[in-house]
Amino acid sequence: GAGVSQTPSNKVTEKGKYVELRCDPISGHTALYWYRQSLGQGPEFLIYFQGTGAADDSGLPNDRFFAVRPEGSVSTLKIQRTERGDSAVYLCASSELGLATDTQYFGPGTRLTVL
Amino acid sequence: QQPVQSPQAVILREGEDAVINCSSSKALYSVHWYRQKHGEAPVFLMILLKGGEQKGHEKISASFNEKKQQSSLYLTASQLSYSGTYFCGTDSGGSNYKLTFGKGTLLTVNP
Repeated sequence: GAGVSQTPSNKVTEKGKYVELRCDPISGHTALYWYRQSLGQGPEFLIYFQGTGAADDSGLPNDRFFAVRPEGSVSTLKIQRTERGDSAVYLCASSELGLATDTQYFGPGTRLTVL
Repeated sequence: QQPVQSPQAVILREGEDAVINCSSSKALYSVHWYRQKHGEAPVFLMILLKGGEQKGHEKISASFNEKKQQSSLYLTASQLSYSGTYFCGTDSGGSNYKLTFGKGTLLTVNP
């Protein structure tokens, strides 16, 4: 059906607070990716899910960041004790099988601002 | 490692051509090209695979030089709608499914 959706589109929070960002991938896509994009930069890989499991979380910057995908569809990126440096656009992408040759379809992103 | 894109920015008049390059210091399995307009999601353009030929359709095409670990995106007879930032995302194959993106090339097409 529809493309990748992300909520909220914008999130403003204060330093030290906890935030959750949601991604709803394209129906039937088994692979889901989180990227972070800072101003003037390309997307930077954070974590990759194949089904329910995190196949690669090597891009998560530290243990304040965590992501889940409990039923193999919707995913939530969780950030604890937010810092001003966490401000960025968080992009979610999905692909059909997670093959290197699959197209990754991106959502519109969540713009996170930490004051 | 992050691929290097050039130029960083280019300004065209409608109808002119442009070439955007993407180079990597690592051997590449595939190169993915995206266009992103301000405040929007990156939109997929095409994938080029190792051993594959030049791909494209109509006025946007791309090539992949495995020896040079480089890909080029060709935009011919540019249209106003081509404006945006173009990113290449590279993948080194094997179990590497995540894309490493360059910093982007800002393309502006003026009437």
